[in-house]
Amino acid sequence: GAVVSQHPSRVICKSGTSVKIECRSLDFQATTMFWYRQFPKQSLMLMATSNEGSKATYEQGVEKDKFLINHASLTLSTLTVTSAHPEDSSFYICSARGGGQAETEAFFGQGTRLTVV
Amino acid sequence: AQRVTQPEKLLSVFKGAPVELKCNYSYSGSPELFWYVQYSRQRLQLLLRHISRESIKGFTADLNKGETSFHLKKPFAQEEDSAMYYCALSGQGAQKLVFGQGTRLTINP
Repeated sequence: GAVVSQHPSRVICKSGTSVKIECRSLDFQATTMFWYRQFPKQSLMLMATSNEGSKATYEQGVEKDKFLINHASLTLSTLTVTSAHPEDSSFYICSARGGGQAETEAFFGQGTRLTVV
Repeated sequence: AQRVTQPEKLLSVFKGAPVELKCNYSYSGSPELFWYVQYSRQRLQLLLRHISRESIKGFTADLNKGETSFHLKKPFAQEEDSAMYYCALSGQGAQKLVFGQGTRLTINP
């Protein structure tokens, strides 16, 4: 199957700083990328959907000014957590859909564990 | 609104026994339903989708529109089936994938 890579896999940052997480589709063009948040022992909560070249669509309750999403190319989307606070500590997962085999199947990254201290 | 419900957080069965993981959904149109699996220390991966009507690793799932269900079944569980299973729904024309709460399946030897 297609490969989606997230970087970094783990990050620790100080409260008040910003953190950027990258999501790349390695062998297909991802027309749509999704960002999820997963709390311990809970399901994936969809945060936003981004289409290449356009603004992301955020789910209700997700602060767009806090979680900045950029999908500038067909292989890269970034999630920036701005002015991070301890309550932003979580596991963030991206997934991507594109043409061909990935047209309906969403492929997932390995996730990024963010810890804000 | 799209909603997926997996009523069982935990499910434990013995090796060789049948397994059924329940999934119910709420959606006004024609949904696409999926089952994703996450093995220990691995990323989420697609197990099967209703439109392909195939059996993967011995698992099958039938979409029942009358009962709005998409239960995952396997007649004889194997130890390697132990994992976290998520049911997911994508709405008609919409691309976003909404997940259920997940069921942790443990197969006992």
